[in-house]
Amino acid sequence: DSGVTQTPKHLITATGQRVTLRCSPRSGDLSVYWYQQSLDQGLQFLIQYYNGEERAKGNILERFSAQQFPDLHSELNLSSLELGDSALYFCASSVTMQSGTDTQYFGPGTRLTVL
Amino acid sequence: AQTVTQSQPEMSVQEAETVTLSCTYDTSESDYYLFWYKQPPSRQMILVIRQEAYKQQNATENRFSVNFQKAAKSFSLKISDSQLGDAAMYFCAYRSAWTSGSRLTFGEGTQLTVNP
Repeated sequence: DSGVTQTPKHLITATGQRVTLRCSPRSGDLSVYWYQQSLDQGLQFLIQYYNGEERAKGNILERFSAQQFPDLHSELNLSSLELGDSALYFCASSVTMQSGTDTQYFGPGTRLTVL
Repeated sequence: AQTVTQSQPEMSVQEAETVTLSCTYDTSESDYYLFWYKQPPSRQMILVIRQEAYKQQNATENRFSVNFQKAAKSFSLKISDSQLGDAAMYFCAYRSAWTSGSRLTFGEGTQLTVNP
């Protein structure tokens, strides 16, 4: 158990819908990262937040957005869902945003299926 | 941009034997970190081992060790005395040492099968 929690574990929805994925980082971790794992794209970085502020953006679609709240939990919002958005979405957390000895610990992931 | 390549989509090993998984990367940076993550059927991403580019000594964690060749941009993972529980997808990952580069860049993964 990494200490990172994600809810829900599974999500099944229809095209055009909107969903919210939730992540709680490890106690004491200030940075949250979101990754998408799909069959055709592999594991891709989406976005990073540090202490409530956006710090880095990767291949995140405009239909996707995220935020980190004062209690440090984060939410990833996916809207106008398409079949191709079906994937495993991981949240990871680390102590800081500095790339020193920092290590990212991953949550169990949310499996999103868009029908 | 940095890229990570794992040229072995699948590997297999006999229980108690040794196996080496390959990883190469491309970067123009001199300071960075490399990781191996394991993803068992549960899909959980588990950190196996990490290597700092500025360290010449290869990292080891129990039965897991790496062969880090900075000039060749190669970072292979050796699993000794393989166990059934080692069966998983293994991902090599790169991370820049710069503050703005905290993201992990992953390779395509190598599916490891351990035969009893």
